[in-house]
Amino acid sequence: NAGVTQTPKFQVLKTGQSMTLQCAQDMNHEYMSWYRQDPGMGLRLIHYSVGAGITDQGEVPNGYNVSRSTTEDFPLRLLSAAPSQTSVYFCASRMDRGSSGTEAFFGQGTRLTVV
Amino acid sequence: GENVEQHPSTLSVQEGDSAVIKCTYSDSASNYFPWYKQELGKRPQLIIDIRSNVGEKKDQRIAVTLNKTAKHFSLHITETQPEDSAVYFCAVGRGSQGNLIFGKGTKLSVKP
Repeated sequence: NAGVTQTPKFQVLKTGQSMTLQCAQDMNHEYMSWYRQDPGMGLRLIHYSVGAGITDQGEVPNGYNVSRSTTEDFPLRLLSAAPSQTSVYFCASRMDRGSSGTEAFFGQGTRLTVV
Repeated sequence: GENVEQHPSTLSVQEGDSAVIKCTYSDSASNYFPWYKQELGKRPQLIIDIRSNVGEKKDQRIAVTLNKTAKHFSLHITETQPEDSAVYFCAVGRGSQGNLIFGKGTKLSVKP
């Protein structure tokens, strides 16, 4: 049971390049989310999904796309990288327990630098 | 949407003292309030959580209190130790929704 796995761990992009950050979980969790972490800004929600085929925008969705074709995978696409997207990105998954909240399990993070 | 504010942003205490971090939220329908600890270079990990049907929860040296009327909840760490030094995040969610909204974090330093 690997939990939440993110790849790559580090990435350097040039402005205007595109890339996909991968996230996979093997816990059969319904909920998956992407966050970015910047100094002094905490964890800001980019996009999230409540199940396969369903995605929604979070607090800072501009410049990012997501899709959820399977329960296990939730990739994050940067369409045209900008220096403002330099950040640490975390993927997280949670179980759906109806009206009761559940713990989020985080991947190890991806440190992205856009030059 | 939900707005979560966390205070203080930094907190320095002597070993053995208590530390208190407070968060306020805006959406009265929120019913799940977890706290995460993040050590340098690591991923956030849950340390304690509380649901809206409970006012207080304790786990050894860590406790969380919730005031739903005032829409705030707090993390209490007693008998702090140097290994408690980390960044702590509060978060708010609704059980029927997939998203958690986080506060901006508190950097706790415990001096030996």
